[in-house]
Amino acid sequence: QSALTQPPSASGSPGQSVTISCTGTSSDIGGFNYVAWYQHRPGTAPKLIIYEVTRRPSGVSDRFSGSKSGNTASLTVSGLQAEDEGDYYCSSYENNNKYVFGSGTRVTVL
Amino acid sequence: QVQLVESGGGVVQPGGSLRLSCAASGFIFNNHAIHWVRQAPGKGLEWLSFIHFDGSETNYVESVQGRFTISRDNSKNTVYLQMNSLRVDDTGVYYCARELGRRTKQGFLDPWGQGTLVTVSS
Repeated sequence: QSALTQPPSASGSPGQSVTISCTGTSSDIGGFNYVAWYQHRPGTAPKLIIYEVTRRPSGVSDRFSGSKSGNTASLTVSGLQAEDEGDYYCSSYENNNKYVFGSGTRVTVL
Repeated sequence: QVQLVESGGGVVQPGGSLRLSCAASGFIFNNHAIHWVRQAPGKGLEWLSFIHFDGSETNYVESVQGRFTISRDNSKNTVYLQMNSLRVDDTGVYYCARELGRRTKQGFLDPWGQGTLVTVSS
């Protein structure tokens, strides 16, 4: 169960878009549409922002969007705002009722 | 509102034990699987364990298999994580989180508790 691979950091100016990749294998991301993304700001609980690859929970801004191609999932944050700063993690279901998180990406709004 | 509150963290020596609790409110508890996730200092999130809505299925990450045991008491709306043979690298903040869907096990976690800190040190 190795962590999914994410870039350590991403940044953009206010109003710009940033896209974070999350690379796994055919045993996790490539094999299932059970991909989720979480936002984690320091001192707070992680928050689900995307599930089932593309779906947004109620109350989550439509500036967040998800996609998947093969063994790689992606999260795009459009119209960057200062409040978007934080750590972002992908996750995926694996075989046999196990789950794995990505290594995490720190997003900075310049 | 839907809420999860962890408790039971603290300082323990290597080889010791702790039992974490996750108390839930604001939803029909016995309809949802619960997961435990931890974050070591300066590290990312790590999935640890899950228990299905009725306790019929459980699973663990390899690094805690055989040392940690997850259980639930649906009459008390509480999930437990019994942690034995603790190691220094088990140090971190431990979160419980609810599976988003009713009776699903897809790994969509919402919401999360605020976490409880476990420190394993001599």
